[in-house]
Amino acid sequence: TQLLEQSPQFLSIQEGENLTVYCNSSSVFSSLQWYRQEPGEGPVLLVTVVTGGEVKKLKRLTFQFGDARKDSSLHITAAQPGDTGLYLCAGSPSGGYNKLIFGAGTRLAVHP
Amino acid sequence: GAGVSQSPSNKVTEKGKDVELRCDPISGHTALYWYRQSLGQGLEFLIYFQGNSAPDKSGLPSDRFSAERTGGSVSTLTIQRTQQEDSAVYLCASSPATSGGKAGELFFGEGSRLTVL
Repeated sequence: TQLLEQSPQFLSIQEGENLTVYCNSSSVFSSLQWYRQEPGEGPVLLVTVVTGGEVKKLKRLTFQFGDARKDSSLHITAAQPGDTGLYLCAGSPSGGYNKLIFGAGTRLAVHP
Repeated sequence: GAGVSQSPSNKVTEKGKDVELRCDPISGHTALYWYRQSLGQGLEFLIYFQGNSAPDKSGLPSDRFSAERTGGSVSTLTIQRTQQEDSAVYLCASSPATSGGKAGELFFGEGSRLTVL
């Protein structure tokens, strides 16, 4: 059973388009992280969201944490080829210490 | 460098052989994770070390897998009697925090790519 479900699995778009990636769970998370991974490298942290309803912006990327802290979304405006990569959400379910688990990821390809 | 260092970066071995993968975390980081990533897939949790606490080994897929962390720093992941399905990239990550939102902010190495023939 996948605790963090990401959708879509794959996304292929043209430069300049907008897109949204989703991360959903039936569990409550004390925080969620979004990472981006490029081929041959380890994931790199993009953002942490902690408060239900929180919205964070990182240039053209907008991250939102659901009010109930069970889901999150990543919206990219005017995608660029440099945004290409594997986007992973991660979190530790609430209730004290827990290992950090990852979703299966969304593989994004932005074509010039 | 100041990042997480993993070695070897690539390892090709024959089925049945044992392999050791090494991780040097960022100095001072108390939390250390091992994950496995198969081609094009997400990260599969293997094991977590948190300071002096007993490690969380709940993700180890079989008793052929083991890991240790010496002196709260360097970690070694050992796979005995390797099988072809063990082929994957093994990623190590460390974190300065063990609780709160910062606990999920991991710094990853570039991984060790294991190929079992």
